[in-house]
Amino acid sequence: DAKTTQPPSMDCAEGRAANLPCNHSTISGNEYVYWYRQIHSQGPQYIIHGLKNNETNEMASLIITEDRKSSTLILPHATLRDTAVYYCIVRLNTGFQKLVFGTGTRLLVSP
Amino acid sequence: DVKVTQSSRYLVKRTGEKVFLECVQDMDHENMFWYRQDPGLGLRLIYFSYDVKMKEKGDIPEGYSVSREKKERFSLILESASTNQTSMYLCASTPRLAGAGELFFGEGSRLTVL
Repeated sequence: DAKTTQPPSMDCAEGRAANLPCNHSTISGNEYVYWYRQIHSQGPQYIIHGLKNNETNEMASLIITEDRKSSTLILPHATLRDTAVYYCIVRLNTGFQKLVFGTGTRLLVSP
Repeated sequence: DVKVTQSSRYLVKRTGEKVFLECVQDMDHENMFWYRQDPGLGLRLIYFSYDVKMKEKGDIPEGYSVSREKKERFSLILESASTNQTSMYLCASTPRLAGAGELFFGEGSRLTVL
């Protein structure tokens, strides 16, 4: 698995966009970028993933740079319930591969 | 709803006891994982399995073993629990084919070893 680097913590005001960066400079051509989040005392939850195109779903948007060495998860209108630890990982989309999580970014959304 | 169910949310055991943590998924997934989570250390992979009776060591397998006798069930075993195994344990599963990166997690089992 390619390693990822994320800032340990970020703050965001409620209603504003939260932009969470992730560096994955050693990503290989067929590895996807996945984002998860973990709200306190719960298991992690899948958010979104992408290969090279930008992706959007009901939870978030994912912007991947053209060289694929970094990405940004965007929560367009953060709410207090978005306070969580956000993990970025890279891996293949098929087959068997162990999934390694880093320490993630702790996002605090404040009123 | 798809589901990964862990047998116990909270357990308290004594040093030296044998501990079984059970995980069952109802999605017919091939891959299953056991992680532990500790403050400041993120999620660390203990063991994973890609098929019935198959297992692979993760990053921190010492002191643990696993069993996968049926596709839907993946058990984590602490043969002789120690205090440094006090942790949150998380089970997850994914399919082998498309979507293999989308893990479904259970709610976690918080184990305290006294």
